[in-house]
Amino acid sequence: DAGVIQSPRHEVTEMGQEVTLRCKPISGHNSLFWYRQTMMRGLELLIYFNNNVPIDDSGMPEDRFSAKMPNASFSTLKIQPSEPRDSAVYFCASSLAWGVGELFFGEGSRLTVL
Amino acid sequence: SQKIEQNSEALNIQEGKTATLTCNYTNYSPAYLQWYRQDPGRGPVFLLLIRENEKEKRKERLKVTFDTTLKQSLFHITASQPADSATYLCALLGSSNTGKLIFGQGTTLQVKP
Repeated sequence: DAGVIQSPRHEVTEMGQEVTLRCKPISGHNSLFWYRQTMMRGLELLIYFNNNVPIDDSGMPEDRFSAKMPNASFSTLKIQPSEPRDSAVYFCASSLAWGVGELFFGEGSRLTVL
Repeated sequence: SQKIEQNSEALNIQEGKTATLTCNYTNYSPAYLQWYRQDPGRGPVFLLLIRENEKEKRKERLKVTFDTTLKQSLFHITASQPADSATYLCALLGSSNTGKLIFGQGTTLQVKP
């Protein structure tokens, strides 16, 4: 199995630009999570989906952030407009079922906003 | 407020010794607790899960304990090796089964040969 696939691995953009991060979960996994990791705040949960439906987006920092999961094999996290404080590593993770068991993480998307 | 605390200072030990990492939590009643390993530039990788009704779990050189009275989990690596050097994260799932897995900040372990 290919694991959770994220793209791009690295993104450098200028303040004000739109950023779209992509995630392909493991086939057959029903839950998908977006996390953000910084040195200061560690790994923060932004939003998670179960069966393609957003369950909890209380971790999304601002309206500039949005996430979608149009089908079981694809999710996006969009930041519009981006700001320097959004610079972080964004991880996508999937699990077999909601609230049960381990998360499988992708390798992350490192975002730098200048 | 809810908090998960891990030692922020790096833990340095000699090869062959046992490493013990601590995870304390407040205002949670977790149904289970997980431990992950994260190497630089990589995503976290699952190691062990322990449920609230379990006191101890083992996997090869790894041992996890879970004390719901003390609100603490200990993670042990016996006969540590330089390859065990990494950041170790604990994560909690609330007993309300919201599906939210919340992570601690992690503790960096450095095993010196």
